[in-house]
Amino acid sequence: QVQLQESGPGLVKPSETLSLTCSVSGGSITNAYWSWIRQSPGKGLEWIGYIYYSGSTTYNPSLKSRVTISVETFKNQFSLKLTSVTAADTAVYYCVKDDGYWLDPWGQGTLVTVSS
Amino acid sequence: EIMLTQSPGTLSLSPGERATLSCRASQRVTSNSLAWYQQKPGQAPRFLIYGASNRATGIPDRFSGSGSGTDFTLTISRLEPEDFAVYYCQQYGGSPLYTFGQGTKLEIK
Repeated sequence: QVQLQESGPGLVKPSETLSLTCSVSGGSITNAYWSWIRQSPGKGLEWIGYIYYSGSTTYNPSLKSRVTISVETFKNQFSLKLTSVTAADTAVYYCVKDDGYWLDPWGQGTLVTVSS
Repeated sequence: EIMLTQSPGTLSLSPGERATLSCRASQRVTSNSLAWYQQKPGQAPRFLIYGASNRATGIPDRFSGSGSGTDFTLTISRLEPEDFAVYYCQQYGGSPLYTFGQGTKLEIK
């Protein structure tokens, strides 16, 4: 049973870069797609992007200019970087296994607050 | 962008009753691209239904999905206390690849 766990700072200053890592256990990160999703009261659930274990990515066009998702297969981890954050980026961030068409399982989520 | 509109926003029912939740897409969605999730406070969404009508592993058979094209429905045949939560529909294949409905809150009457 694959399990995912997000980690990273819970507080980021405006204009700085949000960085999160997702650790995958109970299975290999290879031969699969992995997504980041965020959830905020204002925008609901929003797909940020996905990465294939080979490193190929697809991003949400609304965030594409600020997002980078990368993978470290030897660590069984993948990561999210979001630059130039504002208060609108305050959300719970989830890492998720992407089965193509649906998303399962999900990490427990981590709250990231953008504030000075 | 394919927008998903869920209704009602809030549904108040009693345990044992039948719940019917609607998800309407702004454009046609292929059936295998429609999924449903359940979310309880403080928890991540839980995967319930894929391909519009197929239950995910371990999901009780009181949960069922139906629909095609632009109109989809999640039905809970007999509500259990643990079913009161927020439910989201999700589609795959537009731009952005995944979009979600705004959710239906199922609350105890």
